[in-house]
Amino acid sequence: AQSVAQPEDQVNVAEGNPLTVKCTYSVSGNPYLFWYVQYPNRGLQFLLKYITGDNLVKGSYGFEAEFNKSQTSFHLKKPSALVSDSALYFCAVRDGSSNTGKLIFGQGTTLQVKP
Amino acid sequence: NAGVMQNPRHLVRRRGQEARLRCSPMKGHSHVYWYRQLPEEGLKFMVYLQKENIIDESGMPKERFSAEFPKEGPSILRIQQVVRGDSAAYFCASSPPVGAANEKLFFGSGTQLSVL
Repeated sequence: AQSVAQPEDQVNVAEGNPLTVKCTYSVSGNPYLFWYVQYPNRGLQFLLKYITGDNLVKGSYGFEAEFNKSQTSFHLKKPSALVSDSALYFCAVRDGSSNTGKLIFGQGTTLQVKP
Repeated sequence: NAGVMQNPRHLVRRRGQEARLRCSPMKGHSHVYWYRQLPEEGLKFMVYLQKENIIDESGMPKERFSAEFPKEGPSILRIQQVVRGDSAAYFCASSPPVGAANEKLFFGSGTQLSVL
């Protein structure tokens, strides 16, 4: 069975500072990993994904994430945070060896970027 | 190319009534997923459907909840005899075929169900 852990309910950073949102996962087969962002009263928007290849994945809005197989982590990062990055962030995983596209999501991390 | 369309955006029901939530996937997508989001919780998988088939319903409550994705028309999530605990945001997502290079879930804006 797959699972995702986002250990922080909330992350606070100052605008212009680097940010990290943590994610660890558990999956029996090959991990396919995703990050989504949710703004208030909206659906989830795709940021980036890791399927295979380079461990550093670049995505939308300047975000990137690093796949670390030994630590089973897929932390989301951005070199310089913007106030507009404030939102709810979800990490998700699926078993790449399965024939279903079902994603299992973490609990979500609220990112607050202060001016 | 329209995105995933969900309606209604808000639905108010009294206890014991039925709730029907609709989802039209993106054009060309034949895979639909339903998720439920409760306050202070993440998204919980409910059901995965392809046209006319339920593929995985492991997240569906055993009673009162059902889903369908007919050959024609939107996918429907149906909740019979609603209770206050059913109040939540329900999100639908669609995707291209599993294993496609552009595989990912595209989400609708959700239906907020409130049970009085």
